[in-house]
Amino acid sequence: ILNVEQSPQSLHVQEGDSTNFTCSFPSSNFYALHWYRWETAKSPEALFVMTLNGDEKKKGRISATLNTKEGYSYLYIKGSQPEDSATYLCAFLGGGSYIPTFGRGTSLIVHP
Amino acid sequence: DTAVSQTPKYLVTQMGNDKSIKCEQNLGHDTMYWYKQDSKKFLKIMFSYNNKELIINETVPNRFSPKSPDKAHLNLHINSLELGDSAVYFCASSQDLRVVLYNEQFFGPGTRLTVL
Repeated sequence: ILNVEQSPQSLHVQEGDSTNFTCSFPSSNFYALHWYRWETAKSPEALFVMTLNGDEKKKGRISATLNTKEGYSYLYIKGSQPEDSATYLCAFLGGGSYIPTFGRGTSLIVHP
Repeated sequence: DTAVSQTPKYLVTQMGNDKSIKCEQNLGHDTMYWYKQDSKKFLKIMFSYNNKELIINETVPNRFSPKSPDKAHLNLHINSLELGDSAVYFCASSQDLRVVLYNEQFFGPGTRLTVL
């Protein structure tokens, strides 16, 4: 069983705050890490696919970094907006499996 | 035009019944998946299906069976439904099982199954 942990489980911030959260995964036999954004009553949508140690990806105000040697990835949101409110999921691929193992997600609520 | 669609969106049924959930993708992808979102909100893989190769999560009861009439469809059949089967089931697809390393999965909208 592959252990993929996300922290914190939930986060409340004010509009305009910058925030970040963590995805931890096994540091050996790494293939890839995916980040998804999951709005309530919708389906998960991909944000980033990361494959190389030291990768940094950016999409608008959202960015992510990857450290495969120590087994973690950070997701950053700069100047949070209410429309950023969602659950952010990471999915680890590795350990001999091409099938993503999802973390439980970090639920972000941005208050106006 | 929805990339990955599922029907029905809601399914309420009695214990012991047999039901199916349909999934279709119009992305031309080779691999499709079924996930169950459990009570703790985890997305847990049930099956992946790639070019007629089925990979089963061994924790899935054999009352659950995927059926793929063609590359664009992966339906989920559930026999003898139990109360514990109540959950949201998500279908997903990706270009290929190994290409998922570099490409994301696309998810359907989910089917909320309630077993009474």
